[in-house]
Amino acid sequence: QQPVQSPQAVILREGEDAVINCSSSKALYSVHWYRQKHGEAPVFLMILLKGGEQKGHEKISASFNEKKQQSSLYLTASQLSYSGTYFCGTEEGAQKLVFGQGTRLTINP
Amino acid sequence: DVKVTQSSRYLVKRTGEKVFLECVQDMDHENMFWYRQDPGLGLRLIYFSYDVKMKEKGDIPEGYSVSREKKERFSLILESASTNQTSMYLCASSTPWGQDRYSNQPQHFGDGTRLSIL
Repeated sequence: QQPVQSPQAVILREGEDAVINCSSSKALYSVHWYRQKHGEAPVFLMILLKGGEQKGHEKISASFNEKKQQSSLYLTASQLSYSGTYFCGTEEGAQKLVFGQGTRLTINP
Repeated sequence: DVKVTQSSRYLVKRTGEKVFLECVQDMDHENMFWYRQDPGLGLRLIYFSYDVKMKEKGDIPEGYSVSREKKERFSLILESASTNQTSMYLCASSTPWGQDRYSNQPQHFGDGTRLSIL
């Protein structure tokens, strides 16, 4: 079953912050985050592992809440280059991920 | 850097045709995946392969088959194309995850093939 991402879309001005959530109905062991720019391949951002670990990538960080079965992606002081569609992927058996429906982020100057 | 190459960016075929989508990776990855991407539905797994000649069905395998004769190449086959298979198709590869979850590996994606079935 696909994880649910929220919001589905968000529009920001450059410099504003955003939070993207990824919720699963199943127990989470790991969450992958990817960003896809229009017309390009999805690009790996980070993996969050069970244990509430928080990771960072540029001004993008993420958290993992095992009890809530949820991961959140935080984009701080957003830049134009952050525009794109963000996907979370949750572990689905050995070696496989199941992805959420995506969150489209638009950053305006 | 890992390079995943899909043979075509755009492809137009007719209903009933047999269609082949090719994917090649240059990093000696054991795992390879085929996804379908549709607006509002995200990435859905069609098939994946964890070794040469090994394959496993994903969430939406109906109407598709795959072939993996060499480690670097993974082909998606539409046996008899239908209009509801018009979509963006993405290939990905990864190294295998270790025995414990703390070593799971990211997937590396190709640029995708936008397939239109008329």
